[in-house]
Amino acid sequence: GDSVTQMEGPVTLSEEAFLTINCTYTATGYPSLFWYVQYPGEGLQLLLKATKADDKGSNKGFEATYRKETTSFHLEKGSVQVSDSAVYFCAPITGGGNKLTFGTGTQLKVEL
Amino acid sequence: DTGVSQNPRHKITKRGQNVTFRCDPISEHNRLYWYRQTLGQGPEFLTYFQNEAQLEKSRLLSDRFSAERPKGSFSTLEIQRTEQGDSAMYLCASSLVEGGGYTFGSGTRLTVV
Repeated sequence: GDSVTQMEGPVTLSEEAFLTINCTYTATGYPSLFWYVQYPGEGLQLLLKATKADDKGSNKGFEATYRKETTSFHLEKGSVQVSDSAVYFCAPITGGGNKLTFGTGTQLKVEL
Repeated sequence: DTGVSQNPRHKITKRGQNVTFRCDPISEHNRLYWYRQTLGQGPEFLTYFQNEAQLEKSRLLSDRFSAERPKGSFSTLEIQRTEQGDSAMYLCASSLVEGGGYTFGSGTRLTVV
């Protein structure tokens, strides 16, 4: 079945460090790909998306490129802030019905 | 537009009781989704509606769970005879177009004691 593999957390970084969170997926066809972020005690917020191969999604300094060859959608940010501390979920849309399939999430902790 | 609204935010119930949650999607969104999230895990799909029609249900959704979306507007998720394993965050989301991503509500946290 469809699945998502994310790097395990927690990932702990110092402020202004470079961030990469790896995500690979298995899915039928070429799904749209999403990153969602969940701040403590809140619901999920859409961070960025890409709908076809080689597309780059970007938002709030975060970027991810749809790599069809490697079925990956790694999340990057050049300089993280304490306010970026949250759990990040990679999710392709899979199957019929526009369903999002989530990984287990990667917790990011940014320290001063 | 106030986004996706879920009520209540928190619910504590005794095992064996019935509970009902409500979701009000973004008004022009015709698709509505229910997910369940347990601690340390990603959300798992439960069911979805297009307008008032329930088009798919996950195998996770036992016969104790039922969802409705009368008139294609708000939706309710009912859990009958709750069990401790039902304790989780129940998330609702809505979307307008296929492939466009969802807008999630803040969720309803259920604790079964």
